[in-house]
Amino acid sequence: DGGITQSPKYLFRKEGQNVTLSCEQNLNHDAMYWYRQDPGQGLRLIYYSQIVNDFQKGDIAEGYSVSREKKESFPLTVTSAQKNPTAFYLCASSLLQTGGFYNEQFFGPGTRLTVL
Amino acid sequence: AQSVAQPEDQVNVAEGNPLTVKCTYSVSGNPYLFWYVQYPNRGLQFLLKYITGDNLVKGSYGFEAEFNKSQTSFHLKKPSALVSDSALYFCAVSATNTDKLIFGTGTRLQVFP
Repeated sequence: DGGITQSPKYLFRKEGQNVTLSCEQNLNHDAMYWYRQDPGQGLRLIYYSQIVNDFQKGDIAEGYSVSREKKESFPLTVTSAQKNPTAFYLCASSLLQTGGFYNEQFFGPGTRLTVL
Repeated sequence: AQSVAQPEDQVNVAEGNPLTVKCTYSVSGNPYLFWYVQYPNRGLQFLLKYITGDNLVKGSYGFEAEFNKSQTSFHLKKPSALVSDSALYFCAVSATNTDKLIFGTGTRLQVFP
């Protein structure tokens, strides 16, 4: 899982609560990503950031929010507006994608979120 | 729009036999193709990638993949499977005009002793 840490490993949330998932990397990567993994659906992009203080919505951003105040950190908040938040959440990072060359993403160990 | 398909939910193979995990893709522009492996309750580990050049790409743990432009495929292969290769494998694609990576739904590889 390289130099990316995610915490906590398991998280339980009551309906109506916001929760924040932590993601930290020491790889000096500029780009960071959040994915959601559900059985049989592969990984779906929630948000991504290529530079501090800037981020873009992915394919399933509704009900989620992020911040990128430091290069090393990209926390994800699952808000009460997310109707079905139970899933496995993966954070990733990479070097910037420059023209003509695409850098692989490195993944953290994941956080499993369960709504009670 | 980009897409990637992994037509098999599960692949079963006996230890010592060759294995193939299939992947086809659709992109506008030149494709960038990746294979990742995921063990239970873990993050994804990078295996190999194709950006340009030789169509046969060699990666970690003895895996290789062949890029076939005419068939828009990027199948993952290994000459001799190990029980420890049992895991979930994801193919992913990107292209020159985007910074997103699109993942397939995954193929579960089961290697039997």
